[in-house]
Amino acid sequence: DVKVTQSSRYLVKRTGEKVFLECVQDMDHENMFWYRQDPGLGLRLIYFSYDVKMKEKGDIPEGYSVSREKKERFSLILESASTNQTSMYLCASSWGTGWYTGELFFGEGSRLTVL
Amino acid sequence: AQRVTQPEKLLSVFKGAPVELKCNYSYSGSPELFWYVQYSRQRLQLLLRHISRESIKGFTADLNKGETSFHLKKPFAQEEDSAMYYCALGGTNAGKSTFGDGTTLTVKP
Repeated sequence: DVKVTQSSRYLVKRTGEKVFLECVQDMDHENMFWYRQDPGLGLRLIYFSYDVKMKEKGDIPEGYSVSREKKERFSLILESASTNQTSMYLCASSWGTGWYTGELFFGEGSRLTVL
Repeated sequence: AQRVTQPEKLLSVFKGAPVELKCNYSYSGSPELFWYVQYSRQRLQLLLRHISRESIKGFTADLNKGETSFHLKKPFAQEEDSAMYYCALGGTNAGKSTFGDGTTLTVKP
């Protein structure tokens, strides 16, 4: 069974703080993704990575950065958290080569509240 | 650009009634379509994908390229089907998957 593990289920941070969200997958997937899930807005892609040290911007990258130093780990960083970044963050991974992405396997989500 | 539209944010049916969750897409290439489901307090997970052409938990979905649709259907809804459903377009778009806004299905007893 594929396992995607997000380090924090719930976080509460203050405006301006730096926030790290960690994600680890155990199936040797090439592709990893960070999505943001908001009611009525579906899932919006923040960043994805198709290889170690590689990253590509998604649809809403502003205010976020990512790091992928090892194949199994993909981190989302909020350099200076703002209240409009209060959301549920979902990490996902998939098998894929080149431009192809198949089925996504999701973590349980990290609910971030920025006060 | 690829796009997925789920026109219904909320859908409510009675147990035993048929249910159809609509999904339309726009994509210039060869689409690969998925339905994902998120039950209460569970992670988002794959329900089915068009290339497998199988029925999962009584749900089916047929890709209609002419109408650019991938509607999810079940002839007799059950209370345990209550969940959030997302239609998604994957494939070869630079590694990206595009999701619709989701439909919350409620099956009433």
